[in-house]
Amino acid sequence: AQSVTQLDSHVSVSEGTPVLLRCNYSSSYSPSLFWYVQHPNKGLQLLLKYTSAATLVKGISGFEAEFKKSETSFHLTKPSAHMSDAAEYFCVVSDLRGSSNTGKLIFGQGTTLQVKP
Amino acid sequence: GAGVSQSPSNKVTEKGKDVELRCDPISGHTALYWYRQSLGQGLEFLIYFQGNSAPDKSGLPSDRFSAERTGGSVSTLTIQRTQQEDSAVYLCASSLGRSGLGVLYFGPGTRLTVT
Repeated sequence: AQSVTQLDSHVSVSEGTPVLLRCNYSSSYSPSLFWYVQHPNKGLQLLLKYTSAATLVKGISGFEAEFKKSETSFHLTKPSAHMSDAAEYFCVVSDLRGSSNTGKLIFGQGTTLQVKP
Repeated sequence: GAGVSQSPSNKVTEKGKDVELRCDPISGHTALYWYRQSLGQGLEFLIYFQGNSAPDKSGLPSDRFSAERTGGSVSTLTIQRTQQEDSAVYLCASSLGRSGLGVLYFGPGTRLTVT
């Protein structure tokens, strides 16, 4: 069975400081991993995805994530937080190569990012 | 272009009543998903459609929940005899299916409140 664990339910940073949102995964197969973002009163949007190409993945708005198989981690980072980054972030796993693949995504519990001025 | 749309945006119903939630996916997207988002619970997978068939219904919480998709397009999620624990935001998403590499496009959701 696949799952993801987001290690922090809430992260607070000051504007201009680095962001780190932590995620660990569990998967029987080589996983496909994603980060989705949900801004207040807006729909979920794909931030970035890892599907076994480069282990360092760049996404929108300056975010990136690094796949570390030895640590089963896929942490999301950004060098400098902006006020507009305040949102709920979801780490997501899917098996896109299994024989019973449905493209179904398994979501973590979410991390709320607060950005203080 | 048009994204995924859902209706109604908000629904308040009395316990025991039936409700229907509608999803219009992006044109040409063969895969359609329903998720439920409850406060503090993350997103819970409910059902997956490929075309008009539902090969994965594993997330439906009880037999009060059902869904159908017609014409490979519009989908309706029906909850019978609603209970207070059904209160949540119901999200619909569509994708290009297996070729979409897990990229789902989500609608704005229907907020269901059961009183």
